[in-house]
Amino acid sequence: QVQLVQSGAEVKKPGASVKVSCKASGYTFSGYKKHWVRQAPGQGLEWMGWVNPNSGGTHYAQKFQGRVTMTGDTSISTAYMELYSLRTDDTAVYYCVRDSGSFDCWGQGTLVTVSS
Amino acid sequence: QAGLTQPPSVSKDLRQTATLTCTGNNNNVGDQGAAWLQQHQGHPPKLLSYRNNNRPSGISERLSASRSGNTASLTITGLQPEDEADYYCSAWDSSLSAWVFGGGTKLTVL
Repeated sequence: QVQLVQSGAEVKKPGASVKVSCKASGYTFSGYKKHWVRQAPGQGLEWMGWVNPNSGGTHYAQKFQGRVTMTGDTSISTAYMELYSLRTDDTAVYYCVRDSGSFDCWGQGTLVTVSS
Repeated sequence: QAGLTQPPSVSKDLRQTATLTCTGNNNNVGDQGAAWLQQHQGHPPKLLSYRNNNRPSGISERLSASRSGNTASLTITGLQPEDEADYYCSAWDSSLSAWVFGGGTKLTVL
């Protein structure tokens, strides 16, 4: 079945970077864009951007432009999201999401905690 | 960036019908419609419907989505305890070139 498995929780200090991975299985990885969506504790969902693993093309939310890089490695069916210059308000669960016309499959989420 | 507007909470009795709303504008909901997601505490969101009333396989027929102008709605009939969750709408905003979400509605089944 279609599955997205993300890397484990991270604790980072302000100013550091974090890279979250998302391994796909059960479908042709390169055939679908991959979105990243985050959710701060007790808050709603926030879209960060997408990567097209086939072309390498990306589109980021304006809020994150210059501070995020999304990539995909088709040889290992894995997408990555790297966020730089972390702040305490970046503390959130980060989800990767497959796009088959809508957000049809979500990873389990990766908690990133930013604290001094 | 601007998001979609959802009521923060809705409470309904067991076996009753709940209708959740999501209001946007001509650039998002009014353009390509909305998708609906359900999230139980501690779990990732789950897609319930997309482009107004397309249900992924395995989603209960008790759920139906619709749109009127710039407002999308999700109707859940015969409410069950497992329907108690947070519900989010989402849509592509063509003016922002971004996906936007509603703030979420917490559905309580009494």
